[in-house]
Amino acid sequence: GESVGLHLPTLSVQEGDNSIINCAYSNSASDYFIWYKQESGKGPQFIIDIRSNMDKRQGQRVTVLLNKTVKHLSLQIAATQPGDSAVYFCAETKSSGDKLTFGTGTRLAVRP
Amino acid sequence: GAGVSQSPSNKVTEKGKDVELRCDPISGHTALYWYRQSLGQGLEFLIYFQGNSAPDKSGLPSDRFSAERTGGSVSTLTIQRTQQEDSAVYLCASSLGGGYGTEAFFGQGTRLTVV
Repeated sequence: GESVGLHLPTLSVQEGDNSIINCAYSNSASDYFIWYKQESGKGPQFIIDIRSNMDKRQGQRVTVLLNKTVKHLSLQIAATQPGDSAVYFCAETKSSGDKLTFGTGTRLAVRP
Repeated sequence: GAGVSQSPSNKVTEKGKDVELRCDPISGHTALYWYRQSLGQGLEFLIYFQGNSAPDKSGLPSDRFSAERTGGSVSTLTIQRTQQEDSAVYLCASSLGGGYGTEAFFGQGTRLTVV
């Protein structure tokens, strides 16, 4: 079946640097793409979403980019902090409030 | 409480026994989701409830798995005749559903260990 996947399983960045986490998706029928953050021992937490009719959306220190031509999604974190250390999942859904299909995750490690 | 509550937080069971996992969603949320997460892996979709519609059960791995949602609120995931491969963290989430945004709120999960 169609699924959402990630290019990199782990990413190590220096504190203060920018982080870029990538994701490839295969379901062209998806209308929303979402990023979740999961800290150890906790459930995933919503970060930001983007609709398929947009190519960029910004939040607080985060930016999500969507390239529908190559079916690629990325999450950019500015001035990465130790508290950003977690596993990041991309997810997709056909419509708002519908079931979410998750990728396998990228672990972000922030070096002091 | 303000968030999604799951119980128990940990469950150890013997192979072949049945288990029930409970999820209390956020009040007013019409959508409820169950996912399974094996160690170091992603989230595997199990089942999705939206209001009074028939649930999407397409992710249930076998007929040993079932779930119900009573009164549009509390949900129970039941695993019959548990197997060792059922060991995982079972996560429940809820959302406003029905086009009111994509944000799903997850509980802390139930860690199931089948011995």
